Amino acid sequence: AQSVTQPDIHITVSEGASLELRCNYSYGATPYLFWYVQSPGQGLQLLLKYFSGDTLVQGIKGFEAEFKRSQSSFNLRKPSVHWSDAAEYFCAVRQAGTALIFGKGTTLSVSS
Amino acid sequence: DADVTQTPRNRITKTGKRIMLECSQTKGHDRMYWYRQDPGLGLRLIYYSFDVKDINKGEISDGYSVSRQAQAKFSLSLESAIPNQTALYFCATSDPGTGDTEAFFGQGTRLTVV
Repeated sequence: AQSVTQPDIHITVSEGASLELRCNYSYGATPYLFWYVQSPGQGLQLLLKYFSGDTLVQGIKGFEAEFKRSQSSFNLRKPSVHWSDAAEYFCAVRQAGTALIFGKGTTLSVSS
Repeated sequence: DADVTQTPRNRITKTGKRIMLECSQTKGHDRMYWYRQDPGLGLRLIYYSFDVKDINKGEISDGYSVSRQAQAKFSLSLESAIPNQTALYFCATSDPGTGDTEAFFGQGTRLTVV
């Protein structure tokens, strides 16, 4: 069965420090990969997506993610976290002709 | 105006009541989806529709039904609401004509069943 795993439920990072959020997927073939962010009380905003080509993708708000086929991973990174990045982050995957499947999310807290 | 609009935004209902959540979109997309979000569980797919005549069950369809009244409208019904259906519900759309590369989400409906 298709699945998405975000191993970290909650992460706390100091403001200005780097960030990496992990995502692993289980699919028969390379799926389409996404990261979404949800600020408190808000809807979902797409940060970035990967379909093919360069395995390092750039997104909005200074985020990037790297697809590693050998590890079935699509980890999200940011070199310097800002207090406004505190939110919940969701990794999602989809194969052609199917619906998005989400991970359970990682809550990011930013300490000053 | 939002491209994907959900109504109502908030609703409190009693156990056993029938309730309908509505979703309309102005994006012209064929594909529409309903998800529910629970703390610690992420978003889980309830139903999805790839066109007006196509309805598919998702991971957690029990206790729910849907209606695709038109390309732009996709409603989710709880025939007899129960407290564990208290959740945040999201509607989404996507467009196969552009490679179905992204899903667009509504702002969510917060449903409380008491």
